[in-house]
Parts: sequence; C-alpha cells; structure tokens
Amino acid sequence: GAGVSQSPSNKVTEKGKDVELRCDPISGHTALYWYRQSLGQGLEFLIYFQGNSAPDKSGLPSDRFSAERTGGSVSTLTIQRTQQEDSAVYLCASSPLLRGRTDTQYFGPGTRLTVL
Amino acid sequence: EDKVVQSPLSLVVHEGDTVTLNCSYEVTNFRSLLWYKQEKKAPTFLFMLTSSGIEKKSGRLSSILDKKELFSILNITATQTGDSAIYLCAVSNQAGTALIFGKGTTLSVSS
Repeated sequence: GAGVSQSPSNKVTEKGKDVELRCDPISGHTALYWYRQSLGQGLEFLIYFQGNSAPDKSGLPSDRFSAERTGGSVSTLTIQRTQQEDSAVYLCASSPLLRGRTDTQYFGPGTRLTVL
Repeated sequence: EDKVVQSPLSLVVHEGDTVTLNCSYEVTNFRSLLWYKQEKKAPTFLFMLTSSGIEKKSGRLSSILDKKELFSILNITATQTGDSAIYLCAVSNQAGTALIFGKGTTLSVSS
C-alpha cells in the first residue's frame, strides 16, 4: 500500500517568507508526527497529533511554527517569516497505535527546506 | 532529560567486514527501542526491541537490547556497499509519543 507522502520534496525560499509543508499519512494511521533533521543532527521532534485529541506542540521551536491536521488525515506544517536556521529536512511520520501492535512510526521522504 | 547517544558517529569499513553500532539511552518510563536505516531521506524501520536479551534478526542484521545496562547494539555481518547509510536509534517512553532520536551513525562500506 502507499506509504507516507510529503510535498514538496524540495523548497527554496527567501528569508522572511512563509512556507507550508504537507504530509499525507498512511491511510488509517491515527497518529501523525513532524520532525526536523538539521545537517549532522538527529531527528528533532516538533509536533504530534493523535486522533481528535489536542496536539502535543511541545517541540515547536518558536511561535513562527504551527501545524494543523484536517479531518484526522492530511497535515500542514507552516513556518512564518522563515529564518536561515530553519533550513533543514522536515520529516513526517505516522503510526497506527493499535492496541497490542507495534508503535513503530513510518516516515515519509521529507521536505528539504532551504532558506536563503 | 531523556537522551539517546549513539557511537561511533561515523565508521568506514570494507565490504565483508562485520560492524557493531552502539546505542545507549536514558529515558523515563522506557517502552521500546527502535533502529532505523536512513539512506537518502526517509528513515526505514529495521527493528523494534522491548525485551532484554532477545535477539531480533533480519538477514545479515541483528539487534539486541540490554534494559539493565540501558543500551542496544546493531550488528551487520558481511557488509555490502548497499549497507552504507545513517543508522538511527530511537526510544519511546510510552505509546503514541514522539520518538527520541540519537544523532545516528554514518556507515560507509567501500568495495
């Protein structure tokens, strides 16, 4: 079946512009996560959605970052007034979170964001 | 603060060598440890470990967890150039929460 998809695959923007990154999770997965991976660094958690519960936003680095998930499926990560330090690969993952099953997270191919 | 530390950060070997990658962790309410392989962009799942001392194996890759000493190893035998990638270790402290990742080990296998 289809995996997690993300768009665009690459985004180059100018400092100060807003960007939107999209994630389509695996169908039926209730949990969705956004991570950021900077050069030479591990994955850094940003935000987590689970069903209709309030999202866990504890990883968002500043109020310029926000995310929403519509209809329990597609998610959009928005970065306002981008800065050069926002340049990174933004990865989305989803998980089924079924009782008695693995809580493995399945990752999309990511969006490489470059802020000039 | 929860943390995951991987070593070495990078490794260069020749085809056919055996490698061992290390992952140590400090996590409250540990639930599981996961290994991922990242070649270009998307990390792909390798193993999930929840119990100590039980080896998980897939082809030339194997992994084991020691919950007393708080570490895991990932072994790759008879390495091939296709094994070149970043290997990421992550831990989960409860179902549904974000994974806590180490910085990864970059493995380069030369022919």
